[in-house]
Amino acid sequence: QKEVEQNSGPLSVPEGAIASLNCTYSDRGSQSFFWYRQYSGKSPELIMFIYSNGDKEDGRFTAQLNKASQYVSLLIRDSQPSDSATYLCAVITNAGGTSYGKLTFGQGTILTVHP
Amino acid sequence: DAGVIQSPRHEVTEMGQEVTLRCKPISGHDYLFWYRQTMMRGLELLIYFNNNVPIDDSGMPEDRFSAKMPNASFSTLKIQPSEPRDSAVYFCASSGHPTYQPQHFGDGTRLSIL
Repeated sequence: QKEVEQNSGPLSVPEGAIASLNCTYSDRGSQSFFWYRQYSGKSPELIMFIYSNGDKEDGRFTAQLNKASQYVSLLIRDSQPSDSATYLCAVITNAGGTSYGKLTFGQGTILTVHP
Repeated sequence: DAGVIQSPRHEVTEMGQEVTLRCKPISGHDYLFWYRQTMMRGLELLIYFNNNVPIDDSGMPEDRFSAKMPNASFSTLKIQPSEPRDSAVYFCASSGHPTYQPQHFGDGTRLSIL
């Protein structure tokens, strides 16, 4: 099992719809969870981060974390064509040793928002 | 504030040549990370530093790769000798607390080894 897995995609939604991106992780000790957006040919850009169970909202973006199910998701409301990008889920595990702070990325989900 | 600065943005060189990638982290960030991104393997952590000291280099693919951080504002990733399979985009990132503060990425260096 991969450490961080994302729904395979690609995901295509119409403009104005809600896009739902999902991620599961294998290590129960994981403490911090991040969503990055990456446009083609660009670097990853932080969208959201979440540490506690529940929802965290920032504008059109909502991150949801369920540590019991080892599941984190990103919802994008009122999707726009400019949201079309690859979305990367990333998880940090404190191994208590040399892997302190190591960020492990999922493979990414390609989102296309069509007009 | 200036973000993470990487140079060069693009590098094309022939197999066997030495390649040096450079990174300036965000001022005040104690952690610096080097990543490699390919279509096949996605984003992989190569090595990271805390206060200029290498902490985890388990992701460095082989002895041809080396990284240094001589001071808080500069790091290099060196490949010697380079091979075509090293072709990838190399990102540098920096952060404050590694668990509770996000990593901020530079624009990357697109490396092509012919």
